[in-house]
Amino acid sequence: NAGVMQNPRHLVRRRGQEARLRCSPMKGHSHVYWYRQLPEEGLKFMVYLQKENIIDESGMPKERFSAEFPKEGPSILRIQQVVRGDSAAYFCASSGQPNQPQHFGDGTRLSIL
Amino acid sequence: LAKTTQPISMDSYEGQEVNITCSHNNIATNDYITWYQQFPSQGPRFIIQGYKTKVTNEVASLFIPADRKSSTLSLPRVSLSDTAVYYCLVGLRMDSSYKLIFGSGTRLLVRP
Repeated sequence: NAGVMQNPRHLVRRRGQEARLRCSPMKGHSHVYWYRQLPEEGLKFMVYLQKENIIDESGMPKERFSAEFPKEGPSILRIQQVVRGDSAAYFCASSGQPNQPQHFGDGTRLSIL
Repeated sequence: LAKTTQPISMDSYEGQEVNITCSHNNIATNDYITWYQQFPSQGPRFIIQGYKTKVTNEVASLFIPADRKSSTLSLPRVSLSDTAVYYCLVGLRMDSSYKLIFGSGTRLLVRP
């Protein structure tokens, strides 16, 4: 029973490029959460999605960032026109129900040159 | 400001019991309290979750007072491999808004 799978594990982009981060939730989970973590800091909530719907995007910057969780396929976090400040580890978590424990992937480490 | 508070770091020795407390004054009425362990370059790993009173599993206990404004993670007889950062995760309600908030983390160092 595979856990939450994130890819790529590491992603390098130049300023102005687009970054696409993918997350496949645990089997049977329809709730997906994205978090961002800067070095030596805690995780900051970005967005919560439930199959095809964005439930809460209050933690996501209004510009350049978007997220989706289509009916088929993984959840995608997209960052357009990346800047140096976007460098961070991005973690995805999934749960079966909103109040059930979230299970995390091992993250995508995004580096902006 | 909706937030949680944890000690920045704690030191312990192998075999001791470690208690880490998280304060969350504005916890949402229906929300659970969840604790995670994180090692470098890995995602947070679920430890335990509770709503009130006491919850125990094979690795930890979670104590939650009646007012639910704090919670204490208890790790019995820690070992060197328990050296990690520990986070609480709660849903906080401020006015009409709701936010999922991770604590800032407690860095636990277990010494031989």
